[in-house]
Amino acid sequence: QSALTQPRSVSGSPGQSVTISCTGTSSDVGVYNYVSWYQQYPGKAPKLTIFDVSKRPSGVPDRFSGSKSGNTASLTISGLQAEDEADYYCCSYAGTYTWVFGGGTKVSVL
Amino acid sequence: QLQLQESGPGLMKPSETLSLTCTVSGGSISSSNYYWVWVRQPPGKGLEWIGTIYYSGGVYYNPSLKSRATISVDASRNQFSLNMNTVAAADTAVYFCVGEGRGRYYFDWWGQGSLVTVSS
Repeated sequence: QSALTQPRSVSGSPGQSVTISCTGTSSDVGVYNYVSWYQQYPGKAPKLTIFDVSKRPSGVPDRFSGSKSGNTASLTISGLQAEDEADYYCCSYAGTYTWVFGGGTKVSVL
Repeated sequence: QLQLQESGPGLMKPSETLSLTCTVSGGSISSSNYYWVWVRQPPGKGLEWIGTIYYSGGVYYNPSLKSRATISVDASRNQFSLNMNTVAAADTAVYFCVGEGRGRYYFDWWGQGSLVTVSS
């Protein structure tokens, strides 16, 4: 059970869009539509941002969107805002009641 | 709305056994509506799923922990716990207790986290 692969960092200017990839395998991301994304500010607990690949919890702005193709899931932040600067983690169900997280991506707003 | 709060030792020595407790409020630990999860995060690193305990009593662990972890529930105190034996410096991390809604394949409710440092 290996960690999902995410880029270490992405950046963009306010108003731009950024996309974070999350690459797994045919045993996790590729076979289950149970990919979730979490936003984490320094010193704080993660917060659910996307679930079931592309669904947003209530209260999460619609500039956050998720998708999946094959073994890779993606989180896109459109209309980037200063408050979006944080770490983002993907997570996938990996079968037999197990879970795997990505290594995390730091989003910087230039 | 569930609220979770971790409590733990803070500082430990190598080879000791880690014991962390999560106190749940806003819902019953025995409810079939929730599953209870531990996740950890080494300083400056990513999240790692440790294990999940289900209302049925079934418990599943991250294979990488090599059977060092044990998760249990204390219904009388509305708490669940994580024990991990033979800790080493690599187990230094913030440990989060998490609530997962039944049938929801994501982690809804998070505690604030408890830093455990393993150092001689």
